[in-house]
Amino acid sequence: GAVVSQHPSRVICKSGTSVKIECRSLDFQATTMFWYRQFPKQSLMLMATSNEGSKATYEQGVEKDKFLINHASLTLSTLTVTSAHPEDSSFYICSASPLIRGTSGGVDEQFFGPGTRLTVL
Amino acid sequence: AQSVSQHNHHVILSEAASLELGCNYSYGGTVNLFWYVQYPGQHLQLLLKYFSGDPLVKGIKGFEAEFIKSKFSFNLRKPSVQWSDTAEYFCAVNEAGRRALTFGSGTRLQVQP
Repeated sequence: GAVVSQHPSRVICKSGTSVKIECRSLDFQATTMFWYRQFPKQSLMLMATSNEGSKATYEQGVEKDKFLINHASLTLSTLTVTSAHPEDSSFYICSASPLIRGTSGGVDEQFFGPGTRLTVL
Repeated sequence: AQSVSQHNHHVILSEAASLELGCNYSYGGTVNLFWYVQYPGQHLQLLLKYFSGDPLVKGIKGFEAEFIKSKFSFNLRKPSVQWSDTAEYFCAVNEAGRRALTFGSGTRLQVQP
């Protein structure tokens, strides 16, 4: 089956530093990757959609200058949390989507990474 | 904007009991529907999905879900739960042709042996 990895799985950093999280599709090419944020005991909230070779599309309320997304290849997307603060502490999850053509046109299934727990001190 | 509601936040069942988790969405157009499961310490896994066709879909591990368009619902069912079904269950929706998923708030299922 399709496998998505994330690195690192856990990171602790000081306030003001930047943290880079990698998301890789290991056995398929992903034209689109998604970044979600999950707060404790809450659901996943979409932060941005990352398309290979183009700028990411951010959801309303997500600061694009704070959460930098780069989708340099069909198997790698990175999320950089710049000048991290304690309120950025969260569980960040990526997913990758290969395009599957179905009876209703382009239909996608997303495969999720294991997540990265960020703690900002 | 579409939204997804999961009314049961925490469900506790004994083994062999039947399960039904509710999921309602608000969107008038064509949608794709998903149920994901997140076992403790693990990543999200797809249980089942509905794109078109038979509204009763069967997934892995004995789970099934029924899409009732008139009720905007996609409830998850399992006739007999096991202790290993203890996990968080998320309903998700995307508009046909749009890839991004909107998730419900999740239901924590606890199965007691």
